[in-house]
Amino acid sequence: DTAVSQTPKYLVTQMGNDKSIKCEQNLGHDTMYWYKQDSKKFLKIMFSYNNKELIINETVPNRFSPKSPDKAHLNLHINSLELGDSAVYFCASSQDARSEKLFFGSGTQLSVL
Amino acid sequence: GQQVMQIPQYQHVQEGEDFTTYCNSSTTLSNIQWYKQRPGGHPVFLIQLVKSGEVKKQKRLTFQFGEAKKNSSLHITATQTTDVGTYFCAGHSGAQKLVFGQGTRLTINP
Repeated sequence: DTAVSQTPKYLVTQMGNDKSIKCEQNLGHDTMYWYKQDSKKFLKIMFSYNNKELIINETVPNRFSPKSPDKAHLNLHINSLELGDSAVYFCASSQDARSEKLFFGSGTQLSVL
Repeated sequence: GQQVMQIPQYQHVQEGEDFTTYCNSSTTLSNIQWYKQRPGGHPVFLIQLVKSGEVKKQKRLTFQFGEAKKNSSLHITATQTTDVGTYFCAGHSGAQKLVFGQGTRLTINP
């Protein structure tokens, strides 16, 4: 039983395309996140939702649009993909918005060609 | 904004040697967390420290939180090949955002 699951695991696409990554958690957590990990392994938060409400929106191009249909799901849609978007995107969840103990998904490796 | 710096960026040791990674924050932290990411894997929570001067141990791993709550360290005694990975500290300054250090990548020569 995977606690935080995200799909797809790998995503290879051309520049300019639009793609989505899906995330689901079965832990009953209130808060979910998207993190971007670049080639140097730096983990940077992009967005956070608490009970479907956006609470953290970092300086991310507006080509990135998160959507949380319910508190167990947080999807990430990316428009007009660029080479610099290539990275590993991690979904995570925590019990609440105090960000204690994050549970990460297995990651989506996005390669933009 | 809050910054969390972690050193060293890379560390290569012989199996059996000790390893330490250090974490420094530009602001006082309400708590600090440590995560381990195996190669090709995802970050996994190791521990959280909350109190000033706190020391916690997990088998061969010792975690410390500084008196001023602005720095922390992770020490591994007698490394094993299973310790390979990137170790991240992450600081929480009271805002809702958890800020990660750049990570220390540990490689081990068997």
